[in-house]
Amino acid sequence: DAGITQSPRHKVTETGTPVTLRCHQTENHRYMYWYRQDPGHGLRLIHYSYGVKDTDKGEVSDGYSVSRSKTEDFLLTLESATSSQTSVYFCAISELEVSPLHFGNGTRLTVT
Amino acid sequence: RKEVEQDPGPFNVPEGATVAFNCTYSNSASQSFFWYRQDCRKEPKLLMSVYSSGNEDGRFTAQLNRASQYISLLIRDSKLTDSATYLCVVRPNTGNQFYFGTGTSLTVIP
Repeated sequence: DAGITQSPRHKVTETGTPVTLRCHQTENHRYMYWYRQDPGHGLRLIHYSYGVKDTDKGEVSDGYSVSRSKTEDFLLTLESATSSQTSVYFCAISELEVSPLHFGNGTRLTVT
Repeated sequence: RKEVEQDPGPFNVPEGATVAFNCTYSNSASQSFFWYRQDCRKEPKLLMSVYSSGNEDGRFTAQLNRASQYISLLIRDSKLTDSATYLCVVRPNTGNQFYFGTGTSLTVIP
C-alpha cells in the first residue's frame, strides 16, 4: 500500500471554527489531491497540488484553502467550518499526471 | 450532465455468479480509465486500469468502448469477499481532474 497518512482520522468541530487536515506521504509523489465524499455525489475534487507551492482549485473549492510547503505534506484548511462541510475527506497521491490515484484512509469530519 | 454515470444498484448476486457493471462518460477526450473498489467506511482502492484493448486480472475483466463512451467491469465466479462498492474513474487528457462515478454496490450472497 502507498504510504499515505491522514490526520486526524475523526474530528468533531463547531460551526465557525477553523480546521486543518493533514496528508503526509512517504512516496515522494509529485501530485497530491484532496477529495470529499458525500452520499449521492461520489468523490469530488477540492484542491490539488502539482508540486511544492503549486496548487490549483477543484470543482468544490469554496470555503477551503490548501498549502504544500514540502513534497510530503499537503494541508487542507477550512477557514470557518460550516455544517455543509461535514463529510469524509480523502487525500490521494499520484506519481505522474496520468497515473492512477492512491488514497489515504480518510478523515471523518463532523461540523455541529 | 454528470461527467461519469454509473448504475448505483444494488446488485445482489449469489456466490459463483457472473456480474457486469457499466459506466458511461461524457467527455470524448477522456484519456485514462480505472475501476476502484471501496469497502464500507474505507478508502477507495485501485482494482484495475482499463486499457483500450481490454484487460483481464484473474476473475476481473475490464473493457473500454470509446465509440459509445463507456467502460465495463465483469466479475466472474463471484466471491463473498467481492462485496463492495465499485467506482469507475475517468481522466480527460487535459487538466488534473479525475472524475468519479457515484459507485455501484455489489453484495454477493452465500
